[in-house]
Amino acid sequence: DAKTTQPPSMDCAEGRAANLPCNHSTISGNEYVYWYRQIHSQGPQYIIHGLKNNETNEMASLIITEDRKSSTLILPHATLRDTAVYYCIVNSGNTPLVFGKGTRLSVIA
Amino acid sequence: DTEVTQTPKHLVMGMTNKKSLKCEQHMGHRAMYWYKQKAKKPPELMFVYSYEKLSINESVPSRFSPECPNSSLLNLHLHALQPEDSALYLCASSQSGTGWETQYFGPGTRLLVL
Repeated sequence: DAKTTQPPSMDCAEGRAANLPCNHSTISGNEYVYWYRQIHSQGPQYIIHGLKNNETNEMASLIITEDRKSSTLILPHATLRDTAVYYCIVNSGNTPLVFGKGTRLSVIA
Repeated sequence: DTEVTQTPKHLVMGMTNKKSLKCEQHMGHRAMYWYKQKAKKPPELMFVYSYEKLSINESVPSRFSPECPNSSLLNLHLHALQPEDSALYLCASSQSGTGWETQYFGPGTRLLVL
C-alpha cells in the first residue's frame, strides 16, 4: 500500500473549520483514502473514505485532488471534542490497514 | 448496534500469569482483528481472523495466542508476558471477511505487565 505524509500536529480554534492535509503521491488507482481518528485513550474511530470524488458525511468532508496525490479532511466547525490524532490511510481493500503517525489536532477554546 | 466491546478495560499481570482478553461484536461482521498500541505510537496489527479462521499473524510471539470461538467473539490469551508487552490492546471488526474496509474498533484493554 502507498504511504502517507501528514503534519505531526495542528491547532484549530473552536468553531472554525479544521483542514487536515495528507499527501499520498504514490497512491494506486484501486486504493481508497481512509480517515480515522483516535481520541485520547479510546479506540480509533472511522470518519470517512473516498476513491476519486469528494465525500461528505455527518462528521466531515473529504476533498481529494484530481490527480489523487493528496487529500484534505475538513471538520467544518471544530469543537473541543474533536481534539484527537487523525490518521490518513490509503488502502486497496485487500490488505490490512496500516496506521502512520497521524496528525495530532488540538482544538483550542 | 455498531459497538465492539472489550473486557477487561484494565489488566495488571505478572510475568508468570496467564490471562485472557475478550472482544465481542454483534454487527454480523466476519473479520476481526487484534492491534497493539504503545504509548504515543500508532496501532500495530497483530492478528486477523476471517470467517473464524486465522488469516494473518504479523510475526507475533507465541506468548500471545488468539482464539475465535465464533464469529462474534475474539479472545487473546496471554502467557509469560514481558514488561515490554505493556500496551493498549485494541480489537476491531469489519463486515467483509475478504476485504479490509471500514473497521470498527473497541475501546481497548490497557495492559500492564509487572
